[in-house]
Amino acid sequence: QVQLVQSGAEVKRPGASVKVSCKASTDTFRTYDINWVRQASGQGLEWMGWMSPRSGNTGHARHLQGRVTLTRNTSISTAYMELSSLRFEDTAVYFCVRGKGFLQPFDSWGQGTLITVSS
Amino acid sequence: QTVLTQPPSVSGAPGQRVTISCTGSSSNIGAGYDVHWYQQLPGTAPKLLIYTNSNRPSGVPDRFSGSKSGASASLAITGLQAGDEADYYCQSYDDRLSGSRVFGGGTKVTVL
Repeated sequence: QVQLVQSGAEVKRPGASVKVSCKASTDTFRTYDINWVRQASGQGLEWMGWMSPRSGNTGHARHLQGRVTLTRNTSISTAYMELSSLRFEDTAVYFCVRGKGFLQPFDSWGQGTLITVSS
Repeated sequence: QTVLTQPPSVSGAPGQRVTISCTGSSSNIGAGYDVHWYQQLPGTAPKLLIYTNSNRPSGVPDRFSGSKSGASASLAITGLQAGDEADYYCQSYDDRLSGSRVFGGGTKVTVL
């Protein structure tokens, strides 16, 4: 059973940054990419970006340019998504998602992490 | 705004068949990129339902089927059950958006 285990919910002020972690199995880290998808309450899914844990290569949605940073710690098979300059509209559940390349499906999802931006 | 267009909602009685459309453009589905479908039950993370247009992962009942034609795709659910009440999302790749994966806006299926 594939498991992606994410860090817990956080509340942040506007303008702050947040870093969400996603722990995967060693096999997942060796073989798959880690994507990030978010979902505001009552809204649809929004793809944010991807990272190859093997190479460290990343890509992200154009509208998040400069605000999202994807990193990893291979020694503990953990991926991280950092979002900076938080806005109220960044309030959402953030999912880490396993995929393989640009064209393959997302075949396993983390449980989600609620990030609330509030003053 | 969402790149792939889905109807906001569809409904059907138990046992009936419903279909959900997913309409794209020449930079995504119309360019030949595959479509995947996800089911999101209330309060849970999405789950892969159909991959590469028409394939079911292990454990997904054959009541769920997918197809693709031109710049559109569709998901069909036959023998509708109460447990099928969920949100359904299509997803593809868009080559106009620097390697972006794109989702449809989602369709709420209600079992009457």
